[in-house]
Amino acid sequence: EAGVAQSPRYKIIEKRQSVAFWCNPISGHATLYWYQQILGQGPKLLIQFQNNGVVDDSQLPKDRFSAERLKGVDSTLKIQPAKLEDSAVYLCASSLTRTPGWETQYFGPGTRLLVL
Amino acid sequence: AQKITQTQPGMFVQEKEAVTLDCTYDTSDQSYGLFWYKQPSSGEMIFLIYQGSYDEQNATEGRYSLNFQKARKSANLVISASQLGDSAMYFCAMREQGSARQLTFGSGTQLTVLP
Repeated sequence: EAGVAQSPRYKIIEKRQSVAFWCNPISGHATLYWYQQILGQGPKLLIQFQNNGVVDDSQLPKDRFSAERLKGVDSTLKIQPAKLEDSAVYLCASSLTRTPGWETQYFGPGTRLLVL
Repeated sequence: AQKITQTQPGMFVQEKEAVTLDCTYDTSDQSYGLFWYKQPSSGEMIFLIYQGSYDEQNATEGRYSLNFQKARKSANLVISASQLGDSAMYFCAMREQGSARQLTFGSGTQLTVLP
């Protein structure tokens, strides 16, 4: 079974530029998550989708970050414009279903973003 | 207050020995799940083991076991017979029933296995 796919793996941009990350979850997984992991910290949830609807985006800086999952499969996370503090690894994860139970989240390899 | 606390920024263990990575958590929910993930230098988060708050038995998965002490709110990861490939960052995470069921992670422990 193929895992969670993400691209690009690395991205270097200058501040105020825009950038987009792509994620393809494990086939059949209804729930998709985007996390931001700053160096030396644990991942922090940015947004959670159930199929193509947003479940939780309370920690997404909506003035510059946006995300969509139009057909309930793959997803795009965008930053526009980027700031220096956005330098981080952006992890995508998916799980089979939101309820019931404590379903495991499976993570992709991440995209390492450096903002200069 | 921190929801997940990992007090060991770094740990060293000799190959083939056992090691315990500490994790304490804070929640007022009665129902929650505790997870451990491994993150090698390649960056991917690899799921290791899960413990539900109502599970009476400690979870085990191969060389990994979770020492769950509910009254003390601790969920320590025990790795037996350490291997060089176990060198990585290890994260403890919790999912509470009352918080949109998102994962909250600790700050991690960097484990280095010495030959």
